[in-house]
Amino acid sequence: DAMVIQNPRYQVTQFGKPVTLSCSQTLNHNVMYWYQQKSSQAPKLLFHYYDKDFNNEADTPDNFQSRRPNTSFCFLDIRSPGLGDAAMYLCATSGQGKGYTFGSGTRLTVV
Amino acid sequence: GQQLNQSPQSMFIQEGEDVSMNCTSSSIFNTWLWYKQDPGEGPVLLIALYKAGELTSNGRLTAQFGITRKDSFLNISASIPSDVGIYFCAGGPLAAGTSYGKLTFGQGTILTVHP
Repeated sequence: DAMVIQNPRYQVTQFGKPVTLSCSQTLNHNVMYWYQQKSSQAPKLLFHYYDKDFNNEADTPDNFQSRRPNTSFCFLDIRSPGLGDAAMYLCATSGQGKGYTFGSGTRLTVV
Repeated sequence: GQQLNQSPQSMFIQEGEDVSMNCTSSSIFNTWLWYKQDPGEGPVLLIALYKAGELTSNGRLTAQFGITRKDSFLNISASIPSDVGIYFCAGGPLAAGTSYGKLTFGQGTILTVHP
């Protein structure tokens, strides 16, 4: 089945140690999004790619970066994770007339 | 910026009861989406609405896109224990036939179903 896959499901990283989360999709959607979701809160958009065009939200910290090497893959890089960055990170895609599809998320723990 | 007010924040119901939750906005949306999120999982789309006045069902779930395009509701009939989770509404500029648009999420409704 076509889907959005996030790896890993659970990630533990040390305070200040760079970490990368990955997302892949088989839907051939041209837009990919990264959301941060803290406990019992609504997802918060960090940035998105429209094809190769990167669009950052105004309030996304510089600590968060993203790469999209091709249509299928998108990465979230956290350069120096702090305790406040512990959250669920959700990848989503959208395509022509297809609406949004979310991955299962990566739960990040910072120790 | 756009904001969605989702209510109620939480619900505690008995199995078999019907459930209703809604979202309102001060802004117009072209799309209303309803998601369910289980603990530790990503949101799963329940119903997508693209047209004002649209009433759509998915099994025991029914959702409507308000005529004013500023509100939507979700009803769950005859609730069962597996309905437990967090339900989010989301509004977006995404129109049927397009591929792009940022979602604005409601705060979520936490549903607990007692057997």
